[in-house]
Amino acid sequence: GAGVSQSPRYKVAKRGQDVALRCDPISGHVSLFWYQQALGQGPEFLTYFQNEAQLDKSGLPSDRFFAERPEGSVSTLKIQRTQQEDSAVYLCASSLGTERELSTDTQYFGPGTRLTVL
Amino acid sequence: QKEVEQNSGPLSVPEGAIASLNCTYSDRVSQSFFWYRQYSGKSPELIMSIYSNGDKEDGRFTAQLNKASQYVSLLIRDSQPSDSATYLCAVIGGGATNKLIFGTGTLLAVQP
Repeated sequence: GAGVSQSPRYKVAKRGQDVALRCDPISGHVSLFWYQQALGQGPEFLTYFQNEAQLDKSGLPSDRFFAERPEGSVSTLKIQRTQQEDSAVYLCASSLGTERELSTDTQYFGPGTRLTVL
Repeated sequence: QKEVEQNSGPLSVPEGAIASLNCTYSDRVSQSFFWYRQYSGKSPELIMSIYSNGDKEDGRFTAQLNKASQYVSLLIRDSQPSDSATYLCAVIGGGATNKLIFGTGTLLAVQP
C-alpha cells in the first residue's frame, strides 16, 4: 500500500529506440500526472489523467510522446524514436482527485525513471 | 518571464540559523502554492502548502503568502544539515487541470 511506484528506475536507450515507462499510482487515487525533469530544472508538466480519461496533454513535447491509463490505474508513458533531448527524469504523481476543490489536492510523487538516450 | 521564479542559489546558512527561500509567480489567478523538498537523486516531497494570504506554520517550517505582491516564501528555523536539499516552489494556476508549475528550485546548503 505504499506510495507511487515507477519502473524501470533507470533506462538507457539508443537514439531511435522506443521506450515505455510505467507508473503505479497510490491505490484509489483518481488523478495521475506525468512530469519531465531535466538536470538542474524543476519538473515540467506533461499530461494529466482523471481515471482513464486523458484530460490534458498540453505538455507533451512532440507526437513521439504518448501516454495511456486504460483501466484508470496503472499508466504508461511511451516515447517513440527517442532523441538525446529526451534524456531526463520522468516523474509520475498521483492525487485523490476527489477533493471538492481540486486545487488543494496534494500530489504525491513516485521515485522517477531516469532515461538516458545515447 | 518564467511563470514561477526562484533564485537557484546555492543558499548557504550555518547550522541553527534561519533559512529564507523566496519565490515569485506571474499568474495572478494562481490559487494554491506548494513547497517541495528534493534531495539529490530523489523525487520531490511535499513540505508545505498554503492557499490564503499570511503565514502558515508547521514545526520548523513557515510558509508565507502575499497574493498582492505575487510572492511566496519558506522559512526554515533552526536549520539542520539534513535540510540541505533543493527546495521547489510550485503553483497551481487557473484552468481546469490542477497541474503544478514549478520553479527551477533553490539549492540550500546548511553548514555544520
